[in-house]
Amino acid sequence: AQRVTQPEKLLSVFKGAPVELKCNYSYSGSPELFWYVQYSRQRLQLLLRHISRESIKGFTADLNKGETSFHLKKPFAQEEDSAMYYCALSGYNQGGKLIFGQGTELSVKP
Amino acid sequence: NAGVTQTPKFQVLKTGQSMTLQCAQDMNHNSMYWYRQDPGMGLRLIYYSASEGTTDKGEVPNGYNVSRLNKREFSLRLESAAPSQTSVYFCAILAGVLTGELFFGEGSRLTVL
Repeated sequence: AQRVTQPEKLLSVFKGAPVELKCNYSYSGSPELFWYVQYSRQRLQLLLRHISRESIKGFTADLNKGETSFHLKKPFAQEEDSAMYYCALSGYNQGGKLIFGQGTELSVKP
Repeated sequence: NAGVTQTPKFQVLKTGQSMTLQCAQDMNHNSMYWYRQDPGMGLRLIYYSASEGTTDKGEVPNGYNVSRLNKREFSLRLESAAPSQTSVYFCAILAGVLTGELFFGEGSRLTVL
């Protein structure tokens, strides 16, 4: 079955600490993985795609096919990183039919 | 230039009432989607439309109907609302066919009493 699991509902860290938001997936083919973010009172927006292998706002995510994981990392958290983060998966040629994880709320304390 | 506009933003219904959530885009994209967001469950796809005049079921279509009368608009209808349909509803468009990026509306918060 296709599934995305984010094991942490809430992750609380202090400013300047490293952050890792976990994401594991189950998919039989070659998935496309995404991280979406929802800041307070803003619309859900794309943060990262595994295909682009880019760093956005200091965040990176590496697809580990062996461990079926796509963890989101940032070496030094900032208060403005506080938001809800969703990991999502799409199958080949499935367009916008995403399977989302449960979401992790990141709280960065001063 | 709002991109994706949803109306209404908030609505309270009684069990059994009907209502339609409207979604309009000004980005000229073909594919549009309706998701619902529930605590602890993330977002789940209700229905989608790959192009004008076509619609398909997603993961949780029961209790909903959709209509894609033109390229701009994709509406979601609850014929007989139930408390289990209390949720935040998001409309989205496929902004990048190659990237798979979804562009979301701001959401519509629906409460069914």
